[in-house]
Amino acid sequence: QKEVEQDPGPLSVPEGAIVSLNCTYSNSAFQYFMWYRQYSRKGPELLMYTYSSGNKEDGRFTAQVDKSSKYISLFIRDSQPSDSATYLCAMSAPDDYKLSFGAGTTVTVRA
Amino acid sequence: NAGVMQNPRHLVRRRGQEARLRCSPMKGHSHVYWYRQLPEEGLKFMVYLQKENIIDESGMPKERFSAEFPKEGPSILRIQQVVRGDSAAYFCASSSPGQQPYGQYFGPGTRLTVT
Repeated sequence: QKEVEQDPGPLSVPEGAIVSLNCTYSNSAFQYFMWYRQYSRKGPELLMYTYSSGNKEDGRFTAQVDKSSKYISLFIRDSQPSDSATYLCAMSAPDDYKLSFGAGTTVTVRA
Repeated sequence: NAGVMQNPRHLVRRRGQEARLRCSPMKGHSHVYWYRQLPEEGLKFMVYLQKENIIDESGMPKERFSAEFPKEGPSILRIQQVVRGDSAAYFCASSSPGQQPYGQYFGPGTRLTVT
């Protein structure tokens, strides 16, 4: 079993739709939860991070963490074609520098 | 303020040759991390370096792979006697001392193709 599981998709939605992405994990020591966006042939770019459980909102993006279920989500509201990218979840334990990544979900927003 | 720089962006090597990948961290960053991304897989941690020190190389294959971060100059990931299975995208990230995990900034990657 992989430490972090993420459905690779692909996911195709019309412009303006809500995009819902999620990851599950097995390591209960994880406390930092990150979402990265990766455009084709580029490096990952940090979108949001959350520490421990709860929700965090930043503009059109909302990140949720449910530690009891070992489940994290990212929602993108009012999606735009420029949101078309691969979205990677990543996690880390406190005082650990190693990031454990999911495989990434490829999202296409159709104009 | 330049971000993390990696070169070359694309590298083609024949089986048995050596590959050298370079990473220049962001200005003010002294910690470097290398990750490998295989097709259809997430990034996998390889090695964590500080200037002149390898802190953690637990993700590095035991043979043929080495990394360094000298006092002057970029960090180098070296792969000797490359094989087809080494074909992947190699990403470098950097951070400042004491930074939390989300403080790693990634470079654009080097895409290695072994023919």
